[in-house]
Amino acid sequence: GAVVSQHPSWVICKSGTSVKIECRSLDFQATTMFWYRQFPKQSLMLMATSNEGSKATYEQGVEKDKFLINHASLTLSTLTVTSAHPEDSSFYICSARDLKRGNTGELFFGEGSRLTVL
Amino acid sequence: KQEVTQIPAALSVPEGENLVLNCSFTDSAIYNLQWFRQDPGKGLTSLLLIQSSQREQTSGRLNASLDKSSGRSTLYIAASQPGDSATYLCAVRRQYGGSQGNLIFGKGTKLSVKP
Repeated sequence: GAVVSQHPSWVICKSGTSVKIECRSLDFQATTMFWYRQFPKQSLMLMATSNEGSKATYEQGVEKDKFLINHASLTLSTLTVTSAHPEDSSFYICSARDLKRGNTGELFFGEGSRLTVL
Repeated sequence: KQEVTQIPAALSVPEGENLVLNCSFTDSAIYNLQWFRQDPGKGLTSLLLIQSSQREQTSGRLNASLDKSSGRSTLYIAASQPGDSATYLCAVRRQYGGSQGNLIFGKGTKLSVKP
């Protein structure tokens, strides 16, 4: 299947700092990438849909100024958690759809990024 | 509002046993359904994708079925192995939005296969 890479896989930061997480599609192009958040023993919750060359679409309750998303190319989307606080500590996972797979709608996921805010 | 439920939340079986994981969804208007595997602290690995027009998909020891009208899907794992131990997630894509629509996930079934 298609490969999606996330970086960093884990990060620890101080409260008030900003953290950037990268999501790359390594062997395919993706006009759309999705960012999810997962709390322990909970479902993955969609945060936002990242569209190449345009603004991201955020889910209800997700602060767009808090979670900045940039999708500058067909292979890279970034999520920046600004002024991070301990409650932002979570597992963030991105996913992407391979354009060449047409309308199957199959999503491929990255390895996830564990954020811990002290 | 689409809700996805997975039962059981956890399952422990001896090696070699065949097993079935269940997934149910409240709105039958889905585009497709996807089963994933998640290892602790890791991302998701796509296992099987079933389009709304299909009834089942098979890959190796895995077989997934879909009964859209009743809002159910099952993942059958044959001859389970300790390496199958992981959390299995079921997710549906809403019909609205077609292949672009986002996935709604269940909470998963944590499977443990004992040697």
